[in-house]
Amino acid sequence: LAKTTQPISMDSYEGQEVNITCSHNNIATNDYITWYQQFPSQGPRFIIQGYKTKVTNEVASLFIPADRKSSTLSLPRVSLSDTAVYYCLVGGFNAGNMLTFGGGTRLMVKP
Amino acid sequence: DAMVIQNPRYQVTQFGKPVTLSCSQTLNHNVMYWYQQKSSQAPKLLFHYYDKDFNNEADTPDNFQSRRPNTSFCFLDIRSPGLGDAAMYLCATRGRMVNTEAFFGQGTRLTVV
Repeated sequence: LAKTTQPISMDSYEGQEVNITCSHNNIATNDYITWYQQFPSQGPRFIIQGYKTKVTNEVASLFIPADRKSSTLSLPRVSLSDTAVYYCLVGGFNAGNMLTFGGGTRLMVKP
Repeated sequence: DAMVIQNPRYQVTQFGKPVTLSCSQTLNHNVMYWYQQKSSQAPKLLFHYYDKDFNNEADTPDNFQSRRPNTSFCFLDIRSPGLGDAAMYLCATRGRMVNTEAFFGQGTRLTVV
């Protein structure tokens, strides 16, 4: 499984755009990149998933360069309620259905 | 409506006394996972099932066992809980289709006294 590296923590202010980058240098051809959000005392929640280029949904965008060795989660105009831990996961269906979490990034949004 | 339900939300057990945590799902998903999450750490995969096929992570202690009697239910048994087993235990499910998202329960917070 591809190992992921993310910043341990980030601070931002309400209304700003936040970009969290994840490195995954040994990503495999079949691997997808998935981001989850976790609030304290809750289970993680799916945010977005992509394979290459750019994916956008109602809450975030995911940018993946051509070499796929990194990815960036972009949260537009964050609010206080976006304070959470964000996890980048890399893996594919062929990886025995494993779902392995890396260290995560603790995002603190300030007023 | 909750799709992955974990019971109880909070569990207190005595040191060395067996305890069972339960997880049920209404999604009819093939894959079910159990994670252990300690304070300020990422969830750590303990084991997962693909249908009835059981996959144990290499570093999961023998003290932890799991049962999946049917598609909907999965149990985590801790045979002799130690103080170090105090954690949040998370259950998750995922469907058969390629790269579908995983759905997590709210977790069970286990305290060992």
